[in-house]
Amino acid sequence: QGQLVQSGAEVKKPGASVKVSCKLSGYSLSEISRHWVRQAPGKGFDWMGGFDPVDGQTIYAQKFRGRISMTEDTTTNTAFMELSSLTSEDTAVYFCIAGMGRTWGQGTLVTVFS
Amino acid sequence: DIQMTQSPSAMSASVGDRVTITCRASQGINNFLAWFQQKPGKVPKRLIYASSSLQSGVPSRFSGSGSGTEFTLTISSLQPEDIATYYCLQHNSYPFTFGGGTKVEIK
Repeated sequence: QGQLVQSGAEVKKPGASVKVSCKLSGYSLSEISRHWVRQAPGKGFDWMGGFDPVDGQTIYAQKFRGRISMTEDTTTNTAFMELSSLTSEDTAVYFCIAGMGRTWGQGTLVTVFS
Repeated sequence: DIQMTQSPSAMSASVGDRVTITCRASQGINNFLAWFQQKPGKVPKRLIYASSSLQSGVPSRFSGSGSGTEFTLTISSLQPEDIATYYCLQHNSYPFTFGGGTKVEIK
């Protein structure tokens, strides 16, 4: 059974960027679908973007395009999600998920306030 | 974008009751639908994938059905530990979209 371990909570000022990491164990970055979703306090889920190993494409949700970047480090088997131009609306728990939700990271709380 | 309309948004049922939650897609999604359970303060857990396949380790009282645009999650006999919010997710086409959630409480 694979595991995803995310980086710790972050507090950012409006306009800043945040980079969240997700270390994979038991999965290969190039072989597993992986996605990022977020959950604002007391709310449902927003899909942000994902990687499809079938075609090797990374797709971002339109609402985040231009300020989201998903990258990876194959040497450490770690995926990253960077979100820029943060506003208070970006305050949420960010999750990496693998295998279409089979495995979830523990979540990373990102708080944006001035 | 495909809209996932989940109903009801909240419900209350007695232990032992049969519980049914529905997700309707605004267009066909084949069987690319998963169901998740999220307990308060916890990470979601996948219950069902490919519309009707039970995730390993999930109790058999959970089942999923449907294809095309209408999907159902059924709990055959509600247990106290099933108190949670349930979400559907379509991954047939981008952007993937979640239902709004169904909060299940014990009566």
